[in-house]
Amino acid sequence: GAVVSQHPSWVICKSGTSVKIECRSLDFQATTMFWYRQFPKQSLMLMATSNEGSKATYEQGVEKDKFLINHASLTLSTLTVTSAHPEDSSFYICSAIDREDYEQYFGPGTRLTVT
Amino acid sequence: GQNIDQPTEMTATEGAIVQINCTYQTSGFNGLFWYQQHAGEAPTFLSYNVLDGLEEKGRFSSFLSRSKGYSYLLLKELQMKDSASYLCAVSSISGGYNKLIFGAGTRLAVHP
Repeated sequence: GAVVSQHPSWVICKSGTSVKIECRSLDFQATTMFWYRQFPKQSLMLMATSNEGSKATYEQGVEKDKFLINHASLTLSTLTVTSAHPEDSSFYICSAIDREDYEQYFGPGTRLTVT
Repeated sequence: GQNIDQPTEMTATEGAIVQINCTYQTSGFNGLFWYQQHAGEAPTFLSYNVLDGLEEKGRFSSFLSRSKGYSYLLLKELQMKDSASYLCAVSSISGGYNKLIFGAGTRLAVHP
């Protein structure tokens, strides 16, 4: 089946620094990728939709200047958390839509801890 | 806007049957998904309904009624490993592309 990877799987950073998370579709091309955030014991909250070659579309309440999304190719989208704060600590999950069958596949997630 | 409701927690006994309900309100409905998520892991796909009726897959079945904005996930012959969160997610078309919005999830505890 289709595989989506994320890197890193976990990261610890200091408050004020920036962290980049990569999401890759390994064996398919994805014109659309989604970024979700999940706090403990809560569900996935859609942050933004990333379309290859165009600007990301952010959900209401998500700061686009803080969460920079780049979808430079059909297999890679990146999320950069800028000037991270402890409240940004969360589980970040990406998903990708296979443009062949329109199925949505999830990555394994990245756990971010900001100290 | 979109609204998805499902119970917060449920408990059941090993070997029993449990039904997890989900009600939703959305525009541009394009299907309903159920996912299973264990703590600290990404969701895994369980089922997809886009037409009314029951879809059966082994011990898991999912039902959809579009007119009522209602779905349920049925788990039979419960096993301890079925203890997890079950997420109802609605796919809708917005701005020309599909968007998947998740409910809050139902934490299921299976006990002996």
